[in-house]
Amino acid sequence: AQKVTQAQTEISVVEKEDVTLDCVYETRDTTYYLFWYKQPPSGELVFLIRRNSFDEQNEISGRYSWNFQKSTSSFNFTITASQVVDSAVYFCALSERGYGQNFVFGPGTRLSVLP
Amino acid sequence: NAGVTQTPKFQVLKTGQSMTLQCAQDMNHEYMSWYRQDPGMGLRLIHYSVGAGITDQGEVPNGYNVSRSTTEDFPLRLLSAAPSQTSVYFCASRDRGLTGNTIYFGEGSWLTVV
Repeated sequence: AQKVTQAQTEISVVEKEDVTLDCVYETRDTTYYLFWYKQPPSGELVFLIRRNSFDEQNEISGRYSWNFQKSTSSFNFTITASQVVDSAVYFCALSERGYGQNFVFGPGTRLSVLP
Repeated sequence: NAGVTQTPKFQVLKTGQSMTLQCAQDMNHEYMSWYRQDPGMGLRLIHYSVGAGITDQGEVPNGYNVSRSTTEDFPLRLLSAAPSQTSVYFCASRDRGLTGNTIYFGEGSWLTVV
């Protein structure tokens, strides 16, 4: 069965600090996809990144970076030089192979960036 | 670009009332789903559909019905609302054929059952 764990329920940092959000997943499939979504205070869910299980290259997008390690089943998300606008709930999600397979979401990590 | 549209955004219901949350997408996605979001539990799948005329249950289907008569629409019906159904509901869609395609969410519907 697939499962996503985000052990950090809430994190508070001061603006300009770096912060890493942890995501650990479980799956029996060899082909799967991992995602991060952001939910700002306004409530909508915003797609951030998708990574397939065959691509372990780390990815950087501006102040955001993602570290995918199959050996530890982790897909961690780092925000560099955090800003107040980064305050949100962040969800990690897993989708296994096969059309119709559904997404499994982690419980989310609430990030508060203080000025 | 409309994407996934949900209505209503806010609703208060009395216990025992029924209602329908509407969801429409204009991206010609065959896969649509409904999730509910509760504090500390992330998003949990209620029902999903892989195409018109096909629906299936997710993790938490009890108390909800769905139908998919067209590719565009996927309404969620609460048959007899209960306080336990107080939640935020998200409709989502994604493309068929390419596993792992990004899932697109509606803006959410905040439902309170009193």
